[in-house]
Amino acid sequence: DAGVIQSPRHEVTEMGQEVTLRCKPISGHDYLFWYRQTMMRGLELLIYFNNNVPIDDSGMPEDRFSAKMPNASFSTLKIQPSEPRDSAVYFCASTQMWSGYTFGSGTRLTVV
Amino acid sequence: AQKVTQAQTEISVVEKEDVTLDCVYETRDTTYYLFWYKQPPSGELVFLIRRNSFDEQNEISGRYSWNFQKSTSSFNFTITASQVVDSAVYFCALTFNQAGTALIFGKGTTLSVSS
Repeated sequence: DAGVIQSPRHEVTEMGQEVTLRCKPISGHDYLFWYRQTMMRGLELLIYFNNNVPIDDSGMPEDRFSAKMPNASFSTLKIQPSEPRDSAVYFCASTQMWSGYTFGSGTRLTVV
Repeated sequence: AQKVTQAQTEISVVEKEDVTLDCVYETRDTTYYLFWYKQPPSGELVFLIRRNSFDEQNEISGRYSWNFQKSTSSFNFTITASQVVDSAVYFCALTFNQAGTALIFGKGTTLSVSS
């Protein structure tokens, strides 16, 4: 298995632009999580899905953030419009019952 | 509420020293799971161990060992004979379901091992 795949690995964008982060979970995993990592706040949960349905989005910072999971093998996290304070590393993770949580390599987002 | 506290922000040791990373957790659930992850300078999160609340046996894997004590709500991680390659940020995490909820992470401990 190729693991959890995230793209892009790095993204540099200008303030006000739309940013889309992508994640492909491990096949068969029915839970998908989006985390954000910053120096100040550490690793914080943004949203998670079960069987493609959003279960808890209480960590989504504001309406500029949205996440979708149109099918079992793909999820997106979109920021529109982006702001410098959104600069962080965004991780996607997937899991299923009786397995561990596997994280992708992360997307390092820089908003200038 | 669930919470994970890693009081040590940074630890510096010299190669071959033993080092213990502390993790204290809070939960009202009787069934929960504890994890340790390693984040090397390359940035990925590497799974190290998962322990459920019903299994208090200590675990050893090579130079790594974990001490789980429910009485003190602690799940400490010891590296024996540390090496430069152990330099990383280490995260302790908690969840109360095997897969149905998200991991709650501590703030992490940065370990620096010098030669």
